[in-house]
Amino acid sequence: DAGITQSPRYKITETGRQVTLMCHQTWSHSYMFWYRQDLGHGLRLIYYSAAADITDKGEVPDGYVVSRSKTENFPLTLESATRSQTSVYFCASSESRARSGGTEAFFGQGTRLTVV
Amino acid sequence: QKEVEQNSGPLSVPEGAIASLNCTYSDRGSQSFFWYRQYSGKSPELIMSIYSNGDKEDGRFTAQLNKASQYVSLLIRDSQPSDSATYLCAVNKNSYNTDKLIFGTGTRLQVFP
Repeated sequence: DAGITQSPRYKITETGRQVTLMCHQTWSHSYMFWYRQDLGHGLRLIYYSAAADITDKGEVPDGYVVSRSKTENFPLTLESATRSQTSVYFCASSESRARSGGTEAFFGQGTRLTVV
Repeated sequence: QKEVEQNSGPLSVPEGAIASLNCTYSDRGSQSFFWYRQYSGKSPELIMSIYSNGDKEDGRFTAQLNKASQYVSLLIRDSQPSDSATYLCAVNKNSYNTDKLIFGTGTRLQVFP
């Protein structure tokens, strides 16, 4: 089915472990985004990507790594998980503004990550 | 100063009333503005986009944009209990010829019968 999917939906990991959250979209959208959502902070941008092999930092990039070797995939890696990274993570994608006139973003269903 | 600011609420309105949600942004160069609705435990869903000054209507929803005042609002007419959710304002910020989407913290709306 077309859309944007995240995996896993739920993850519990221990502090210090590396964990990767996956995001896959079937629309061939140029842009992809990773956000974290915490109570009182809304959605905060971690990293974003304008195209394959082009990534850039958002508001809260420390402790995270991304890659985008293919247009459809945008994995987010926590290199050494900390309790402060316990959050709900959302991936989103959008077409480029130059092509669509806007940057309406569509979200995956989210990954709830708990670091213990 | 946050790049996108919203009152966290909750905003409580009776069923059938007009709910008015507000958002301000700091980057004068922003060109695209969005309202998302998020139900508890769900992902955000786009309900309105607006790109030029003035009003844009879609059913019971009206988005209003005033670039001079750096202000975006969302009006929900004939509010229903099913409209109870958090409403997120998002602004496209262009940086080095790439776009990033920045969100406010959201306003929680409660519509009571």
